[in-house]
Amino acid sequence: SQQGEEDPQALSIQEGENATMNCSYKTSINNLQWYRQNSGRGLVHLILIRSNEREKHSGRLRVTLDTSKKSSSLLITASRAADTASYFCATDLMNRDDKIIFGKGTRLHILP
Amino acid sequence: DAGVTQSPTHLIKTRGQQVTLRCSPKSGHDTVSWYQQALGQGPQFIFQYYEEEERQRGNFPDRFSGHQFPNYSSELNVNALLLGDSALYLCASSLYGAGGNTEAFFGQGTRLTVV
Repeated sequence: SQQGEEDPQALSIQEGENATMNCSYKTSINNLQWYRQNSGRGLVHLILIRSNEREKHSGRLRVTLDTSKKSSSLLITASRAADTASYFCATDLMNRDDKIIFGKGTRLHILP
Repeated sequence: DAGVTQSPTHLIKTRGQQVTLRCSPKSGHDTVSWYQQALGQGPQFIFQYYEEEERQRGNFPDRFSGHQFPNYSSELNVNALLLGDSALYLCASSLYGAGGNTEAFFGQGTRLTVV
């Protein structure tokens, strides 16, 4: 069963705009990770944010985590065509080593 | 430093056959997890191997089995293939006991088609 649920399921924006994707989860976690997947191939790790962190940045990516609402957001600023991909949030389950559970993903399409 | 490698890249099998997929973890990692990803869905956890033993298992039938070797590489075996087993199979490597505070690295996956 899925622990995380991404919203929206799909998103199309113009190149240069910002893209925001949200993730909600059900149970307490140690950390939350965001991954990108191009054309149904392997997953690329983007950011890991721990449960005691509220915000994290990596280049054009900004991730927030609100454990009280059991939700996270991924912001991609100044989007580029190469950002077109599916984005997944993945959570571990507190006290369950290393098993991570994925949501269904957000399909992001950057329009030229 | 090689990342996670999976073989083969693509595979077509017939219903009822058996298949073996292979994964070599990232250097320095000792844990391998396998995921099944159907088209348009997120990856579903199959099982995880550490110290050559299955440590955790998702909601998959016994037709799905695995193995981990002393060099940490792993195999996923699926018996009596069904059409519904067609999917992208992903392998992820990580470091066991890190308390979930290290990222998992994924291979490029094996695309299995059952006809």
